[in-house]
Amino acid sequence: AQSVTQLDSQVPVFEEAPVELRCNYSSSVSVYLFWYVQYPNQGLQLLLKYLSGSTLVKGINGFEAEFNKSQTSFHLRKPSFHISDTAEYFCAVTIIQGAQKLVFGQGTRLTINP
Amino acid sequence: EAGVAQSPRYKIIEKRQSVAFWCNPISGHATLYWYQQILGQGPKLLIQFQNNGVVDDSQLPKDRFSAERLKGVDSTLKIQPAKLEDSAVYLCASSFTPGTRETAFFGQGTRLTVV
Repeated sequence: AQSVTQLDSQVPVFEEAPVELRCNYSSSVSVYLFWYVQYPNQGLQLLLKYLSGSTLVKGINGFEAEFNKSQTSFHLRKPSFHISDTAEYFCAVTIIQGAQKLVFGQGTRLTINP
Repeated sequence: EAGVAQSPRYKIIEKRQSVAFWCNPISGHATLYWYQQILGQGPKLLIQFQNNGVVDDSQLPKDRFSAERLKGVDSTLKIQPAKLEDSAVYLCASSFTPGTRETAFFGQGTRLTVV
């Protein structure tokens, strides 16, 4: 079965500073990878996804992520953090066979550094 | 395009009581998911429907949780009887085609508090 690990539960960031959220997955077969964002009191919204092809994926709101198969990682980045990016971010994975369950990581809370 | 609708938004019940949540997916979406999100954790898949058939319910506590999807559209999730550890946000999501290549669209969730 697949699993997802988000190494940081919370990341404080200065406004306009670059940000990186780390995600590692475990699977013995090929996967699809996703990043979702959850703003306070709202449901999850897709930021970006990797299905195949180019390993650098661009999403909404200036976010991008890079798929690294050898390191089984899918880290999310943004060159410049804005206060409107304050939210919780979830990495998710699904294996490309069987029931294709969408499995989420524990989440990383992105907050502005006071 | 209307999103995934869930009701109620909030529910407070006493332990051992019963509760039901309702979900209306985006029109035409074949796949429907119910997730449980406990505070501080990522969403955990409870059950996945393909039209009105169950694709996966391996993490659904079947002694107290049940779910159905009538006519392949709306879905209800029931807890009977509730326990304190069931306090969580219950998220419904849907996607157009089978499998998760397609984007899953999420509702705002139902926040359940069991006291």
